[in-house]
Amino acid sequence: KQEVTQIPAALSVPEGENLVLNCSFTDSAIYNLQWFRQDPGKGLTSLLLIQSSQREQTSGRLNASLDKSSGRSTLYIAASQPGDSATYLCAVMGNNNDMRFGAGTRLTVKP
Amino acid sequence: KAGVTQTPRYLIKTRGQQVTLSCSPISGHRSVSWYQQTPGQGLQFLFEYFSETQRNKGNFPGRFSGRQFSNSRSEMNVSTLELGDSALYLCASRTGTANYGYTFGSGTRLTVV
Repeated sequence: KQEVTQIPAALSVPEGENLVLNCSFTDSAIYNLQWFRQDPGKGLTSLLLIQSSQREQTSGRLNASLDKSSGRSTLYIAASQPGDSATYLCAVMGNNNDMRFGAGTRLTVKP
Repeated sequence: KAGVTQTPRYLIKTRGQQVTLSCSPISGHRSVSWYQQTPGQGLQFLFEYFSETQRNKGNFPGRFSGRQFSNSRSEMNVSTLELGDSALYLCASRTGTANYGYTFGSGTRLTVV
């Protein structure tokens, strides 16, 4: 059974700092990996989708990498802003169309 | 292009009652999945429907059921509500193949009293 772990559980940084969120998974047989953002009490907003054949994806200040062999993905946020404060979730799609989520990293960016 | 629409946004029910939640996927998306989110358990997969058939199911009791209509809209039903069913219920849709990511709705906040 796929297990997805996100470290750290919470992170607080000053505005302007570059930061890295980590995601690890136990089964490397995946179709894709998706990073989401969730604001309190709201739904999930998709940030980046990485196919199993890809190594990274970029969107604006966000860059996500995937290393299937080691079961790891990182989400890099450049020049963080207070508006980036949210919970970031990593989700892995397995062979059985089952998407497994990590517990998330709660990010606070202080002005 | 409209996103995934979930109704209602908020619900308050009494223990023992039943509830039905609705999800309208993005036009053209044939797969609809349901998730339960609680502070203690995080996001847990309930089930996935594709072309009116349940394609995958999580580890929830039979009180949780769902269905999908020919227009891809989906409903989720919970019978005999328990206090522990209080959660944010999220619906997500995608085209149907694993190569494409999910788009989530804003969720239905269910409170059981």
